[in-house]
Amino acid sequence: EVQLVQSGAEVKKPGESLKISCQGSGYTFTNYWIGWVRQMPGKGLEWMGIIYPDDSDTRYRPSFQGQVTISADKSISTAYLQWSSLKASDTAMYYCARRGSGGYYSLWGQGTLVTVSS
Amino acid sequence: DSQLTQSPSTLSASVGDRVTITCRASQSIGSWLSWYQQKPGKAPKLLIYKASSLESGVPSRFSGGGSGTEFTLTISSLQPDDFATYYCQQYNSYPGTFGQGTKLEIK
Repeated sequence: EVQLVQSGAEVKKPGESLKISCQGSGYTFTNYWIGWVRQMPGKGLEWMGIIYPDDSDTRYRPSFQGQVTISADKSISTAYLQWSSLKASDTAMYYCARRGSGGYYSLWGQGTLVTVSS
Repeated sequence: DSQLTQSPSTLSASVGDRVTITCRASQSIGSWLSWYQQKPGKAPKLLIYKASSLESGVPSRFSGGGSGTEFTLTISSLQPDDFATYYCQQYNSYPGTFGQGTKLEIK
């Protein structure tokens, strides 16, 4: 089965670091871009950035540049989203999604809920 | 980076109704537009790509149209499962922005 499986929900304190994951299976992971999307509570969808796992070419939405790091380990078909110092405003659901050859996103992970609270 | 504006923000309708959601782009994006359905606590689901192509497995009551700067998503006869939030997304230019969403509610 072709799927993206994300790591589980996290509860963190402000200032802590975090790395969440997105593992692809059932397809050649290195052939497709993987993007990350933020959805804050009760709000819409925002693209954060995207990575090509084969060579780790990464692009960030300007508003997220320097705030998060996107990476990938192609040996285990996994993409990552990480923070070095979380803020309460990072509380959100985070989705990974696979960009198809047509440019649209037909395959999504189930989402990882990140809660940052003191 | 083309901005997308959806209308209406909220739509109240009944089972069996025909509904249309509009998505307007701030600059021409050709046909590089997709539509997603999202239910609470779930990931978005692709419905339409390239403005009017129906994703495999999606019921034929969903259809998309338009090109350039104005696009539509039409549901021909609403079913109970269709009450959800709908987003358009352009992928003509990075980063592929989303519209703000349209919540489809039961009247």
